[in-house]
Amino acid sequence: QVQLVESGGGVVQPGRSLRLSCAASGFSFSSSVMHWVRQAPGKGLEWVAVISDDGRNKYYADSVKGRFPISRDNSNNTLYLQMKSLRAEDTAVYYCVRGEYYFDYWGRGTLVTVSS
Amino acid sequence: SSELTQDPAVSVALGQTVRITCQGDCLGTYYASWHQQKPGQAPVLVIYGRTKRPSGIPDRFSGSSSGNTASLTITGAQAEDEADYYCNCRDNSGNHVFGTGTKVTVL
Repeated sequence: QVQLVESGGGVVQPGRSLRLSCAASGFSFSSSVMHWVRQAPGKGLEWVAVISDDGRNKYYADSVKGRFPISRDNSNNTLYLQMKSLRAEDTAVYYCVRGEYYFDYWGRGTLVTVSS
Repeated sequence: SSELTQDPAVSVALGQTVRITCQGDCLGTYYASWHQQKPGQAPVLVIYGRTKRPSGIPDRFSGSSSGNTASLTITGAQAEDEADYYCNCRDNSGNHVFGTGTKVTVL
C-alpha cells in the first residue's frame, strides 16, 4: 500500500534551518509529482511547493519562495524540503503529498515549531 | 496568486443534504478536488476531477461545478461526515491553492 512518512520536524529558533524528508513506498515514486503542504495550528491547508517526477520543474508558494527549496532522490524514493531562514509563521504541520492535478495520498505530517 | 473562497461553516441535520461551495478563478480552467479533514488527522481526498470519487469514498459525496464555482454535496449526511472540507485546484503558473475551508457540523 502507498506510504508517505515524513521526518525531520522539531523545534528550531527563528532564522535557523531544518530539512524535512519524506520516505515513499508502495507506488512508483519516480513517476509521481510530489508536493509539500502545511497547516499552521488551528488554521487551514496551505500549499507550499511542488516538484515534477524528474525533479526538473519546481514551483513555490510566494510565502516560501527563495527560502524552502524542494528536491527529490528518485533512487532512494525520498522527497525533501530544505527550510531556511525560518520564521515564527512557518510553524505548522508539514505534509508530504502525491499528485499532479489532485492530491491522492498524504503522509501523516511532521510538526515544525519555530520559536526562541 | 489565486484564491479560493469557501463559507467558514455550515450545519446539516442527520440524514439531510448539504452543499459546500468554493469560488475562485482557477476553477474556470482546472477541475476542483475536495478533501475531508477530521481533527488530528491528515486530509483525505473525497472528490477529484470535479466529480470523481476515489475508491472507498461513499457515494453520498458528489461534486459539481459551474464557471468559477465548484460544489461538494453530501446527500444523506452521517455523523462521521462532520469534518473540515477544503477545495483545491491548480493555476496557470503551476502553483496550487486550497480553499479557506468549511467546517461541517452534523446535528
